[in-house]
Amino acid sequence: QKEVEQDPGPLSVPEGAIVSLNCTYSNSAFQYFMWYRQYSRKGPELLMYTYSSGNKEDGRFTAQVDKSSKYISLFIRDSQPSDSATYLCAMSATGSGGSNYKLTFGKGTLLTVNP
Amino acid sequence: EPEVTQTPSHQVTQMGQEVILRCVPISNHLYFYWYRQILGQKVEFLVSFYNNEISEKSEIFDDQFSVERPDGSNFTLKIRSTKLEDSAMYFCASSRARAQPQHFGDGTRLSIL
Repeated sequence: QKEVEQDPGPLSVPEGAIVSLNCTYSNSAFQYFMWYRQYSRKGPELLMYTYSSGNKEDGRFTAQVDKSSKYISLFIRDSQPSDSATYLCAMSATGSGGSNYKLTFGKGTLLTVNP
Repeated sequence: EPEVTQTPSHQVTQMGQEVILRCVPISNHLYFYWYRQILGQKVEFLVSFYNNEISEKSEIFDDQFSVERPDGSNFTLKIRSTKLEDSAMYFCASSRARAQPQHFGDGTRLSIL
């Protein structure tokens, strides 16, 4: 089983739609969960950062973490054409046990929001 | 907003040559990282660096790779003798502390001929 799995899509939605992106993982040591947005020929841009289980909201974006199911989600409300990008989930364990907070990424989901 | 900057944006090198990729992390950050992304594949961790030494490295980061912080602002990745399979996007990242989020540069596209 891969450590982090993410459906690569592509996902195409009309403008204004609610988008749901998700990742599953197998390593129960993961405690920090991130979503990055990556435009073509650019580096990953941090969108959301959460610790352990729960929800976090920032504007049109909501991140959810369910550690019992090893499942994380990113919701985008009122999606805009400018949201068209690849969305990467990433996660890390705590420093004990030598993991040193390195990020393990999903493969990314390519999202297109059509005007 | 402060950002991580990487140079060059694209580097073309003959196989067997040495290459140095450069990064300027965010100024008050203390932890530095290199990742790479081969075309069509996941972003993969290479190495983390803190207090002038490597804190963790992956299996990819073999003896051909080295990192250095030659001064107070730059962080470099050197590949001593490049191979075709080193062709990838190389991303530098930095964070203020270990448990703080990592911020990425726009990467250097390394093409080995």
